[in-house]
Amino acid sequence: QKEVEQDPGPLSVPEGAIVSLNCTYSNSAFQYFMWYRQYSRKGPELLMYTYSSGNKEDGRFTAQVDKSSKYISLFIRDSQPSDSATYLCAMTRPNTDKLIFGTGTRLQVFP
Amino acid sequence: DAGVIQSPRHEVTEMGQEVTLRCKPISGHDYLFWYRQTMMRGLELLIYFNNNVPIDDSGMPEDRFSAKMPNASFSTLKIQPSEPRDSAVYFCASTPDRAGNTIYFGEGSWLTVV
Repeated sequence: QKEVEQDPGPLSVPEGAIVSLNCTYSNSAFQYFMWYRQYSRKGPELLMYTYSSGNKEDGRFTAQVDKSSKYISLFIRDSQPSDSATYLCAMTRPNTDKLIFGTGTRLQVFP
Repeated sequence: DAGVIQSPRHEVTEMGQEVTLRCKPISGHDYLFWYRQTMMRGLELLIYFNNNVPIDDSGMPEDRFSAKMPNASFSTLKIQPSEPRDSAVYFCASTPDRAGNTIYFGEGSWLTVV
């Protein structure tokens, strides 16, 4: 079993839809959780970073962490065609330098 | 800052040839990471350096892979001899502190071994 599981998609939604992207993990030692966005033929870029359970909001993006269920989510409100990309979750333990990535979910927002 | 700079952006080579990928991290960043991305396995950490010293190379798939960081502004990832299964995108990334904070990725080196 992989440490981090993520549905690869693709997920195709109309412009304006609410998008929900999810990851599950098996290691309860993970404490820091991140979402990266990767456009086609580019490197990943950090989108959201959370530490504690609960929600963190940044504009149209909300990151949610449920440590009891080992489940994290990224919600995108009012999705735009420019949101079309692959979204990767990532997580790490305290006092370590290694990020563990999910395989990514490909999202397409059509006009 | 120009960000993490990788070269070449694209490389097509024949099986058995040596491949060298290059990376210039962001100035002042103490950590440098080499990742490999494939459709099947996603983004995998190969090796990372702290202050030019290799810290963890447990992700390097086999002895055909080697990485060096001779100074704070340059690192190489070498594959010798290359095999078709090495075809992937190789990313270099750097961060000023531990991986719990922002990692900045380069645009990747797209390697095809035929």
